[in-house]
Amino acid sequence: AQSVTQLGSHVSVSEGALVLLRCNYSSSVPPYLFWYVQYPNQGLQLLLKYTSAATLVKGINGFEAEFKKSETSFHLTKPSAHMSDAAEYFCAVSDLETADKLIFGTGTRLQVFP
Amino acid sequence: NAGVTQTPKFRVLKTGQSMTLLCAQDMNHEYMYWYRQDPGMGLRLIHYSVGEGTTAKGEVPDGYNVSRLKKQNFLLGLESAAPSQTSVYFCASSYPTRGQGLSYEQYFGPGTRLTVT
Repeated sequence: AQSVTQLGSHVSVSEGALVLLRCNYSSSVPPYLFWYVQYPNQGLQLLLKYTSAATLVKGINGFEAEFKKSETSFHLTKPSAHMSDAAEYFCAVSDLETADKLIFGTGTRLQVFP
Repeated sequence: NAGVTQTPKFRVLKTGQSMTLLCAQDMNHEYMYWYRQDPGMGLRLIHYSVGEGTTAKGEVPDGYNVSRLKKQNFLLGLESAAPSQTSVYFCASSYPTRGQGLSYEQYFGPGTRLTVT
């Protein structure tokens, strides 16, 4: 069964520093991959998605992610963190056969210090 | 458009009580989902529906029932609440987008925080 692993349940960065949130998936067949963000006391909002087109995917709020098949990874990055980026981030995966269902990682909470 | 809405936002139940959570979407999506979110466990799928009148079990369906009598509504029921069902419940809806294949982008409601004592 498809699964996704997010390394690091908490990540702390200074404002202006690089943000790197890690996500690895399990399938040998390239799946669909998503990053969602959850601000405090809110639902999840889609940041970006990979669906077999360009391997470098740009999302909202300056975030981007690169699909690397050789590493089975889909890490999320942002060159310069802002205080408003503090939130929980979830990586999710679906495969071609069950594309209507997502499997979520356990989440990474991002803290941004001034 | 309101998107996906959930009622109620908060609820406290005693063990053994029953309740129904309501999810409504105004985007005409065929697919709807119920998840629960627990600390350190991400979101886990409880039940889902691929269209009006159809429902299916997800990863953690025990203790829950669902109904999809209207396309825009998806109800989650707890017949006899247990403390283990204390959680934050999210509803989502999705539609297929065709790119290089068919993918489904899910839209989430704001959540219902349920406490069972």
